[in-house]
Amino acid sequence: AQSVTQLDSQVPVFEEAPVELRCNYSSSVSVYLFWYVQYPNQGLQLLLKYLSGSTLVKGINGFEAEFNKSQTSFHLRKPSVHISDTAEYFCAVTPRDSGAGSYQLTFGKGTKLSVIP
Amino acid sequence: DVKVTQSSRYLVKRTGEKVFLECVQDMDHENMFWYRQDPGLGLRLIYFSYDVKMKEKGDIPEGYSVSREKKERFSLILESASTNQTSMYLCASSLPGRALETQYFGPGTRLLVL
Repeated sequence: AQSVTQLDSQVPVFEEAPVELRCNYSSSVSVYLFWYVQYPNQGLQLLLKYLSGSTLVKGINGFEAEFNKSQTSFHLRKPSVHISDTAEYFCAVTPRDSGAGSYQLTFGKGTKLSVIP
Repeated sequence: DVKVTQSSRYLVKRTGEKVFLECVQDMDHENMFWYRQDPGLGLRLIYFSYDVKMKEKGDIPEGYSVSREKKERFSLILESASTNQTSMYLCASSLPGRALETQYFGPGTRLLVL
């Protein structure tokens, strides 16, 4: 079984400042990793995902995340945030194997990013 | 663009009523999912379907059932609604295969059970 911990439930940050949203996971098998974003009153959409290769993954809207296997982390970063980045961000994992559980994403509890003008 | 639509954005029902939440996707995706989203709990999978008439239980299937008679449509059924089922319900779809495929979400249905 997998679990995901998002260490901060809320992160306020001033516009144009950098931000890091933290995600740690626990799994007995190798995993794929995802970040999804939910803008107010909308469903979730994919920001980026790590499947293999370079541990630094670039996503949409200037976000990037780095996979750190030794620390079992997948933190999300943006060097300069905009008001429009105000949203809730979810980290998720799924096992790499092809068993029945591999259809399922396990989500963290979310981090609400508030960008202050 | 993939489009996932849900039949209602807001729904108010009474305890004991049978409730149907409908989800339709237009990208011919094999996989479809129903999640429940609650503050501080994130998203929890209720059921998913990897083909027509096929379904698998997720983490919290109790009190829910699903139906998938056509590829594009996945229905979530609350047989007898209870107040603890007040929540946001999100539907998603994805290409066939494992969960490494991107999931595309609908806008959600906010259900209030009185």
